[in-house]
This record gives sequence, structure tokens and C-alpha cells, in this order.
Amino acid sequence: DTEVTQTPKHLVMGMTNKKSLKCEQHMGHRAMYWYKQKAKKPPELMFVYSYEKLSINESVPSRFSPECPNSSLLNLHLHALQPEDSALYLCASSQNPSLAEELFFGSGTQLSVL
Amino acid sequence: TQLLEQSPQFLSIQEGENLTVYCNSSSVFSSLQWYRQEPGEGPVLLVTVVTGGEVKKLKRLTFQFGDARKDSSLHITAAQPGDTGLYLCAGEPGGTSYGKLTFGQGTILTVHP
Repeated sequence: DTEVTQTPKHLVMGMTNKKSLKCEQHMGHRAMYWYKQKAKKPPELMFVYSYEKLSINESVPSRFSPECPNSSLLNLHLHALQPEDSALYLCASSQNPSLAEELFFGSGTQLSVL
Repeated sequence: TQLLEQSPQFLSIQEGENLTVYCNSSSVFSSLQWYRQEPGEGPVLLVTVVTGGEVKKLKRLTFQFGDARKDSSLHITAAQPGDTGLYLCAGEPGGTSYGKLTFGQGTILTVHP
């Protein structure tokens, strides 16, 4: 299994809603990532989890709250988002947290904030 | 300042043409990766180049890593409509950022039938 699975694929939410994005991998990878991507732009790193511990937070607003319940799962909790947060949210994993080696990306969640 | 300068940003060509995408930096990279992303999907790794001067071929795609490990190129021969997508180079400058990949701005390639 070389897949990173993200759900939901699409999400529309209001600015007062609370929602969660989910990500799962069963490759035994020890690093997991959240990226935000605007249309026709490169992915922007948000968070890195290394061995289930948050190792990098790229100064992301607190309305985004990551969680890593176990080595296979990664969640991103969303609360009080703004319309400018609308984007494709990508989850990725890699084998070795110490090296930015090959990233396996999920298909992403296309988020629209109304 | 972008650590990885990718060019061109947009490329629109006819089927059968050749093209080259460039990825340049003033920093040394321990390795560089090339990804391809289709609309509505996540990026997929095409290749990783590690050794200065290295050339890797993947069917009609040829990847080169500069001798000084500061630049890379992707050459596509006889492009096909299926090659259409966003091409991204990425790397970890100096190999010391511990999991923090830097991406180039991307090249949006459109191949017309």
C-alpha cells in the first residue's frame, strides 16, 4: 500500500463551522505533513509531525489545529476559518523525518470557506 | 527571495515539441526532486537527483543535476497532451532543514493536440 488517503475530497464550510480533515497512510512512514496550496501555486508547508510529535509549525494561525493520534493518522481541525483559507489542503508522508526525501502526497481536500 | 527559481512559469506548446524547465538556486542542495501534479490531485514524485552532474532518464523525460548541485533541469522530448500539468522542483537547501522541503514556483505546462 503506497497510498496516502485524504477525506473528504471536497468540503464547503461557513466561517463559524468546525470541521476536520483526515489523512491516513499505512506505509510505516514516520513523518507526516500538512501543506496548503492555492491554484497554480506550489504547496506551502503548514505542519510537520515527526514520530507523532509536532516538529515544525510554519507560523500557522491557531484556527488550524493539527493532531496526530497515531503513526498512521493525521488530522487537521478547522475552526472560524476565513474565505482566504479556501485552498487545496494536501497531506503527505515520508519515511525518514530527518531528511526531506520523497514525499507521498494524498489527493487533497479542496476546501471552500463561504 | 525564492530559494528555488523555476522557469518558465507557463509553457504552452504543440504535441511533438520538445521543452526544458529550469530550476536554479544560489544554495547548494543535497538532492533535488521533481514532481508532477495534475488538477485535483496531489504532486507525484518523478525523480530524485543526488549526485552533481547526474543525468536520469524516465522514458521521454531527462533530468539533470548541475555539477555544483545548485540547479537542475527537466527536458521533455516529443511532448504529449498527457504531459500537461504543474511541474515542481523541490529540495532541502544544505540538507539541514530536517523535513522542510522548499518548492520552486512551478511550471504550468499545457500540451495541445
